[in-house]
Amino acid sequence: GAVVSQHPSWVICKSGTSVKIECRSLDFQATTMFWYRQFPKQSLMLMATSNEGSKATYEQGVEKDKFLINHASLTLSTLTVTSAHPEDSSFYICSARDPDRVSYEQYFGPGTRLTVT
Amino acid sequence: AQTVTQSQPEMSVQEAETVTLSCTYDTSESDYYLFWYKQPPSRQMILVIRQEAYKQQNATENRFSVNFQKAAKSFSLKISDSQLGDAAMYFCAYNNAGNMLTFGGGTRLMVKP
Repeated sequence: GAVVSQHPSWVICKSGTSVKIECRSLDFQATTMFWYRQFPKQSLMLMATSNEGSKATYEQGVEKDKFLINHASLTLSTLTVTSAHPEDSSFYICSARDPDRVSYEQYFGPGTRLTVT
Repeated sequence: AQTVTQSQPEMSVQEAETVTLSCTYDTSESDYYLFWYKQPPSRQMILVIRQEAYKQQNATENRFSVNFQKAAKSFSLKISDSQLGDAAMYFCAYNNAGNMLTFGGGTRLMVKP
């Protein structure tokens, strides 16, 4: 149980275009999902917390207009990188918390490698 | 704000031997949860073990166990009978019974055959 999928696993896009990444909880309903960014050989950096049916909460320094997050259902959150630039190239990971579990662990998707050319 | 510190950027262990990864954290909360996550080369984050702060007994999952010292705010991971598949980045994480996980900087574990 507690499987999170992420799509696509990798994507290459041209500078100035937008790209959408999907995060799905497959066997549980996730009222809260999280989006992280990870640079090579570094830890995960929380970008935003996505709450179903409401606006996402962004961490300090994360541009809301560049990284659009939508959590339209209990099993799907999307991250759209708008007007992508080469510096947006990174590994993006989503996670979800199962509200039926009291231990607060997060279950992670396999990640998306974004390359902006 | 809570912080999590992993003081060992890299560790190495011989196959079948035991290794301990260190983690300290800073919090003023009394109720919280601690986790160790493994990130192999595939970069899929995998939960290794969890510890509830209110439990005095150290958590154990097969070859993985923790040494939880609440007063010292220390949460180390012991891997026994190390296997080649244990080679990965290991992240210590803290949750204060809310939504957000705070991660340490990670420790890269190498396993020598």
